[in-house]
Amino acid sequence: GAVVSQHPSRVICKSGTSVKIECRSLDFQATTMFWYRQFPKKSLMLMATSNEGSKATYEQGVEKDKFLINHASLTLSTLTVTSAHPEDSSFYICSAREINRGDQYFGPGTRLLVL
Amino acid sequence: ILNVEQSPQSLHVQEGDSTNFTCSFPSSNFYALHWYRWETAKSPEALFVMTLNGDEKKKGRISATLNTKEGYSYLYIKGSQPEDSATYLCAFFNTGGFKTIFGAGTRLFVKA
Repeated sequence: GAVVSQHPSRVICKSGTSVKIECRSLDFQATTMFWYRQFPKKSLMLMATSNEGSKATYEQGVEKDKFLINHASLTLSTLTVTSAHPEDSSFYICSAREINRGDQYFGPGTRLLVL
Repeated sequence: ILNVEQSPQSLHVQEGDSTNFTCSFPSSNFYALHWYRWETAKSPEALFVMTLNGDEKKKGRISATLNTKEGYSYLYIKGSQPEDSATYLCAFFNTGGFKTIFGAGTRLFVKA
């Protein structure tokens, strides 16, 4: 089956540093990748839609300068949390939409803790 | 604004009970509806992908139906087991922006 990986799975960083999270589709091509964040006691919230070769589309309320998204190829999208603060601590999940059938597959998620 | 609603918000049942919950979504620009089983801090597990009005899908004791004209889907669990305890999420795909909008989920607790 289709596999999406995320790296790192867990990261602890100091406040003010930037953290990059990678999302890769391992055995399929994805023109579109999505980034989600889980808020405490809430469902997954869509942060942005990432399209290969073009700028990401951010949801209302998501700071694009804070959460930089790059979709450099059909198998890789990255999310960089810039100047991270404790309130950015969360669980971030990506998903990739397969180019032909359009099925969507989730990565395993990245747990970010900002001290 | 696309709104996907799930009800009830939480549900407590006894082992062996059958249960069902609802996902409501916009009836226009429908592309697909997905159901996921989700345990917090883990990746959602895909249960069903539903695309056609009238679709009925089954996986073991879990089944789902779809009505795209009125904008709802039901998820049924027959003979609930403690291991079914989880949050069940539905996600709506529209044809316009190809976004995935998640409902808030139904948190199911099955007591042995």
